[in-house]
Amino acid sequence: KAGVTQTPRYLIKTRGQQVTLSCSPISGHRSVSWYQQTPGQGLQFLFEYFSETQRNKGNFPGRFSGRQFSNSRSEMNVSTLELGDSALYLCASRGGGSSPLHFGNGTRLTVT
Amino acid sequence: QQQVKQSPQSLIVQKGGISIINCAYENTAFDYFPWYQQFPGKGPALLIAIRPDVSEKKEGRFTISFNKSAKQFSLHIMDSQPGDSATYFCAASSRDDKIIFGKGTRLHILP
Repeated sequence: KAGVTQTPRYLIKTRGQQVTLSCSPISGHRSVSWYQQTPGQGLQFLFEYFSETQRNKGNFPGRFSGRQFSNSRSEMNVSTLELGDSALYLCASRGGGSSPLHFGNGTRLTVT
Repeated sequence: QQQVKQSPQSLIVQKGGISIINCAYENTAFDYFPWYQQFPGKGPALLIAIRPDVSEKKEGRFTISFNKSAKQFSLHIMDSQPGDSATYFCAASSRDDKIIFGKGTRLHILP
């Protein structure tokens, strides 16, 4: 079974631009979560989608948004990029209930 | 109340020693406590997990100890090896809710 795939692996953007990250979950997983990882803050929850609906949301500003498609693939968008948005963005999928998260290898976003 | 507090931030252990990482939580609704291991350039991967109906779970050299009354749980790595050098995250969640992570422990095993 293929794992969680995130594209692209690396991105360099300029302040004020917007960016879209993509995630393909494990086949059969309908839940996709996004996390931001930074050295000082660890893994911070952004949002979770289940069957195309946002099920949970973290404490991030509205510049961070996401969506999920009918094939469970998900995208995350960050608008009006700030220097502080530089981070590793991780996507994870899981099956139902309190089942484990399966992470991709992330997209490294650098904002200059 | 949604936080998971993890300590220490970094840990250095001699090869063959025991590595111990501790976590504490406040939300009594949490019913699932996984530990994740992350190597550089990779996403975190599930290492071992426990539910609050047991006080200990062992898988090979890795053991989770769980103290429900104290709302604490810990990861013990026995006979630590250089290949165990990684960042470890504890986490907690309640059913169908988001999984909350600790801030991570960077473990280095000296050869």
